[in-house]
Formats: sequence, C-alpha cells, structure tokens
Amino acid sequence: DIVMIQSPDSLAVSLGERATINCKSSQSVLYSSDNKNYLGWYQQVPGQPPKLLIRWASTRESGVPDRFSGSGSGTDFTLTISSLQAEDVAVYYCQQYYSTPLTFGGGTKVEIK
Amino acid sequence: QVQLQESGPGLVKPSETLSLTCTVSGGSVSIDGYYWTWIRQPPGKGLEYIGYVSYSGSTNYNPSLRGRVTISVDTSKNQFSLKLSSVTAADTAVYYCATGRAWFDPWGQGTLVTVSS
Repeated sequence: DIVMIQSPDSLAVSLGERATINCKSSQSVLYSSDNKNYLGWYQQVPGQPPKLLIRWASTRESGVPDRFSGSGSGTDFTLTISSLQAEDVAVYYCQQYYSTPLTFGGGTKVEIK
Repeated sequence: QVQLQESGPGLVKPSETLSLTCTVSGGSVSIDGYYWTWIRQPPGKGLEYIGYVSYSGSTNYNPSLRGRVTISVDTSKNQFSLKLSSVTAADTAVYYCATGRAWFDPWGQGTLVTVSS
C-alpha cells in the first residue's frame, strides 16, 4: 500500500495569512506514461462529508476559490491557501489514486489564530 | 448533478453483518464508466477506502478488510450496497458512499454505524 503522510497535524493561521499543508507519499504517484500525478486534495468541514478541491495534484475543481492551489510532483505535494478565510476552517486530506488500495493522508486541521 | 444518500441500521451487534444502501438520484448507476464507492471514517479519525463497484458489477476491495466486504449494484432500484461481515467495535465509523474510482466526487452525507451489543 502507498502510505500518505501529512504535516503538520494541525496549524493555526491568522485571517488573510497563508496556510501550507504538506503531503508525502511512500512511493511516487507520478505515472510516467501520461506525466500526471495521481493525487487529490479534499476539505472536510466539521459535520460534513469531504469535498474534492483538487485533482491531478494541481487542477482545481469547478467552483473552488482560487486561493486554494496544489503543487508538487512525485512523492512531495503541497496544498496552499493563499489568504485564509473563516470558512476555510476544516480538516484537509490528500489522497493517492495511483494504485489500489486507494489511500488517504491522516489529515491536517486548519484553525484560525 | 448526482446526489447520494446512505441508509441502513445505525447499530449492529458484534459478529453480525453490517448492511448499508446508497440511493443515487439525479443520475443512473448504469451509466457507462461510472464507479460507486464506499469509504469510512472512525469517529475522530481519518478516511479509509473500502471498495467500489462499477456500473457493470465489477468490484475492487481494500485487502485490509480481509474478504469481509461485498459491494453490489442494483440497477432496478438505482442503488448500490455494502455488506461487511463479522463486524467488531473497530468497524464503528461514519460510512460514506461516493462516486468515482480515482478521486471521489460527490459524496453522500454519511451514516454512523456503531458496533455494540
């Protein structure tokens, strides 16, 4: 199984400041035949199901604010919230779909400082 | 826009079989190329992929569930279902149904299943 490790476990950021979440996979999720990273990011607001924010490591889903961006390749990935808003308080998960079983990171809780 | 809704017992006894159904609205489970997935989340913990079924009935399961899981699709009712046998307290979780076999979107609201005597 591909193990996904997120860091930090939690972070507190002031409104309007940048939040950075890291995700590392135990093996590369970059598929050589199409040069795509098989990685997604989700946001889970308390009491709600996860919501897909980003797929292919950096492609934002329709309707996702452009303050959310994904980057990285191979085994190291980052989700950045460029200017934290109150509604961004949530737990964020990375997930690889390079191979089954599909696996998630342990989550990063983002709070307001 | 496809919407999903889980249903089933909220309490299951140890050693019994957990059975849940996901009703699909706004679309058909028979759509070519669509996949229907179950994911769970123990209280206060992270997400675990359980498995998926395709529109044609082919399946993929997480080996960690050691053969206890069956996912099937019922095209006549536009539903798909999850059965997890020989449950223990470790199977207590919010169970989500979702669409996809790579990334997952959309998700149902989830249903809490508690395993307890």
